[in-house]
Amino acid sequence: EVQLVESGGDLVQSGGSLRLSCAASGFTVSSDHMSWVRQAPGKGLEWVSLIYSGGSGGTVHYADSVRGRFTISRDNSKNTLYLEMNSLKPEDTAVYYCARVTNWAFDYWGQGTLLTVSS
Amino acid sequence: DIQMTQSPSSVSASVGDRVTITCRASQGISSWLAWYQQKPGKTPNLLIYTASNLQSGVPSRFSGSGSGTNFSLTISSLQPEDFATYYCQQANSFPLTFGGGTKVEIK
Repeated sequence: EVQLVESGGDLVQSGGSLRLSCAASGFTVSSDHMSWVRQAPGKGLEWVSLIYSGGSGGTVHYADSVRGRFTISRDNSKNTLYLEMNSLKPEDTAVYYCARVTNWAFDYWGQGTLLTVSS
Repeated sequence: DIQMTQSPSSVSASVGDRVTITCRASQGISSWLAWYQQKPGKTPNLLIYTASNLQSGVPSRFSGSGSGTNFSLTISSLQPEDFATYYCQQANSFPLTFGGGTKVEIK
């Protein structure tokens, strides 16, 4: 059974840093494209970042709103996806979901982890 | 960036009604469109991928159609568990983008 479990969400001050983790089971994160999607309180879904499967060289993409501040990566030995976030802003406050990408759609999602950035 | 515009933003319907939600892309995206359902406090759930393919385990009352710039999600006979917010998402090019959502409410 495919499962994704995020962790690392916290309350941080503006300008701070944090790393989110997403532990996968039932498949290997290196074999599929993986992504982060966020949802601000009461708002819609916003794509954040994507890392291609290992066979595609690990190419990454970012939303303009996070490029240069966030870094997506994975640890194949731990079967875990990460999102390193720096220079955090109040507008980064959201529930962050990791998701597996299949047929260029997000077919499995984690339960989400809440990041709150205070000003 | 490709903008995804959903309409309506909300719809009130009764159990058994046929409901159609539309999603328009600001430029052609071929069939690279997915639909999701999200219930309050829950994780989004994939319904349709590549515009018209039903995700495994999703009831057949859900269907998707369209290509290019105009797409639709239809629920053929609304059930109590279908009251939720629905989102479209394009995957033709980066950045990947979602529509603003359509809330399906009980009439």
